[in-house]
Formats: sequence, structure tokens, C-alpha cells
Amino acid sequence: DAGITQSPRHKVTETGTPVTLRCHQTENHRYMYWYRQDPGHGLRLIHYSYGVKDTDKGEVSDGYSVSRSKTEDFLLTLESATSSQTSVYFCAISDSSTEAFFGQGTRLTVV
Amino acid sequence: DAKTTQPPSMDCAEGRAANLPCNHSTISGNEYVYWYRQIHSQGPQYIIHGLKNNETNEMASLIITEDRKSSTLILPHATLRDTAVYYCIVRVAYSYNFNKFYFGSGTKLNVKP
Repeated sequence: DAGITQSPRHKVTETGTPVTLRCHQTENHRYMYWYRQDPGHGLRLIHYSYGVKDTDKGEVSDGYSVSRSKTEDFLLTLESATSSQTSVYFCAISDSSTEAFFGQGTRLTVV
Repeated sequence: DAKTTQPPSMDCAEGRAANLPCNHSTISGNEYVYWYRQIHSQGPQYIIHGLKNNETNEMASLIITEDRKSSTLILPHATLRDTAVYYCIVRVAYSYNFNKFYFGSGTKLNVKP
């Protein structure tokens, strides 16, 4: 898995509560990504980072924020979780000339 | 914007070649074609990529048409473990968007005994 660790792997939370998902890499890759995957939609890009403190929005960024204070960590925060954010979340990393490597995913359920 | 079109599903007999098509009719000259697959609910796995020429590695071959508007991923001898969703994506090179990977819905390949 190219040195990518997502935590937690599973989480159940209540509507309206804040949630933070963590992606940790040991590859020193510049780019990090957060995707969500829902039935019928494939993988959709939420946010990505092109360096420490440098982030950009993807296709479905509403309701999500991210932070990257260190090269190895990329955090995804749901400020106030909603049921529509129930999904499987994947983190990925890449370098300028490489393919993207994906983590094993975090299954989030908002009840 | 995935910019690719793939059939939703395909079947293949075990031991036979699996040929997965992808249309990318709006591809630009500096865009690569990448293929990934996702087995069950695991993270997607890189397979192969190419720009203009056909490519081959230990997993698969990638055939890109001369006009680059379509491509085919070939798994030469499919096994049951190749049952997965296969994604064809384009990746813009040498631009701000170079490192954004956009996935479509993919093709579910069912390898049958």
C-alpha cells in the first residue's frame, strides 16, 4: 500500500458532530488526495494538497475542509457531519511523475 | 470531469484474454491514459498508463488508437482474481491539473470459471 495509513478504518458518528479522518504517508510524496466513493458514482475527488499548507478543492468539496501541516499528514474534516456524507473515503498520494497510490479506505457512517 | 466512457460491465472466461475498452474522444495531446482497478472495497490499484504508444507490463497491455480517441486494456490470461472494477482515466500533463486524477464509474469485469 505504498506506505499509506488511514485512520480510523471504520467510524459511526451522529449527525451534526465534527469528524476528522487522518491520512499518513511514509513515502515523502508531494501530493495527497481525499476521495469519496459511493455506489453509482465511482471515486470523486474532495480535496487535494500539493504541498505543506497548500490545498485545492476537487469536485465535491462542499461540507469538507482539509489541512496539511506536515508532509506526511493530510487531514479531512467534516465540520458538521450529515447523512449524505456517509461514504467510503480513500486517501491517495503521488509525486510529480508517478501514479497515485491509494490507502485502504475509511468507512464512515453518519446516523 | 472524468472525460472517459466505459461499458458498465463485461464478462470474461477464466484463462482467456479480457479486453476492456475506453473512449476518450476529447483527449488532448498532452493527456495520458491511466488504468486502475479496484477489487472489492479495497483502494484502487495502478495497472498501466500511456501517452501515444502501446505499453506492456507484467500485469497488462495498453493499446491506444492512432487518433488517441480510444484505448483498450488487455489482461492476457484472466484469472478469477482479476474480477474487479476497472477505471480508465485521463491525466493532464504539464499543467496545473497534472496531479488531479478524475475517476468515472468504471467497468465491472466478471471473470467466470
